[in-house]
Amino acid sequence: GQQVMQIPQYQHVQEGEDFTTYCNSSTTLSNIQWYKQRPGGHPVFLIQLVKSGEVKKQKRLTFQFGEAKKNSSLHITATQTTDVGTYFCAGLQAGTALIFGKGTTLSVSS
Amino acid sequence: KAGVTQTPRYLIKTRGQQVTLSCSPISGHRSVSWYQQTPGQGLQFLFEYFSETQRNKGNFPGRFSGRQFSNSRSEMNVSTLELGDSALYLCASSSVPGLAGPSTGEQFFGPGTRLTVL
Repeated sequence: GQQVMQIPQYQHVQEGEDFTTYCNSSTTLSNIQWYKQRPGGHPVFLIQLVKSGEVKKQKRLTFQFGEAKKNSSLHITATQTTDVGTYFCAGLQAGTALIFGKGTTLSVSS
Repeated sequence: KAGVTQTPRYLIKTRGQQVTLSCSPISGHRSVSWYQQTPGQGLQFLFEYFSETQRNKGNFPGRFSGRQFSNSRSEMNVSTLELGDSALYLCASSSVPGLAGPSTGEQFFGPGTRLTVL
């Protein structure tokens, strides 16, 4: 079945450093979504990417969708303590449900 | 608009019992999905309902079932509870542009029900 792999599982950075999480699917995706879950909270939608090679930015966050629509990345520039949480990618293959990666938990020390 | 609500928020059960969890989606959302979240496995898809029909199902045993009512509210039931069923159960709703096809919209998650099986 469809699998979505996400690495790394954990990442600790010093405040101000950059952070990247990668997402890979075993199959071609219709779209990919990214979510953030703060400690003790529930996942909150960040963005959806649909087109091959698409790049979207939200302030310090940059999201990319691979040319083959099988991989994606989330890059955070100059992390802040407010970026702490677990970042999930979720891939959709046509006709199936949204499948979540296991997430990357980011911790930031000041 | 009110967000997705889930009840109860916390639940403690013993092995062998059954449990029913409830989810009320955002008004106007017709798609409701359920996920099981555990530290080791992340977010695992249970099932998705749209217009009272189960549209997709994850790889969980038949002890896990669900349903959706005409007002889009959804319930999930777990029978014969096992220790491994301890988890956070999340419900998410989304608006679906068409009457058929997969939900591709943003998922709005509820706060979850924390189930502990003793």
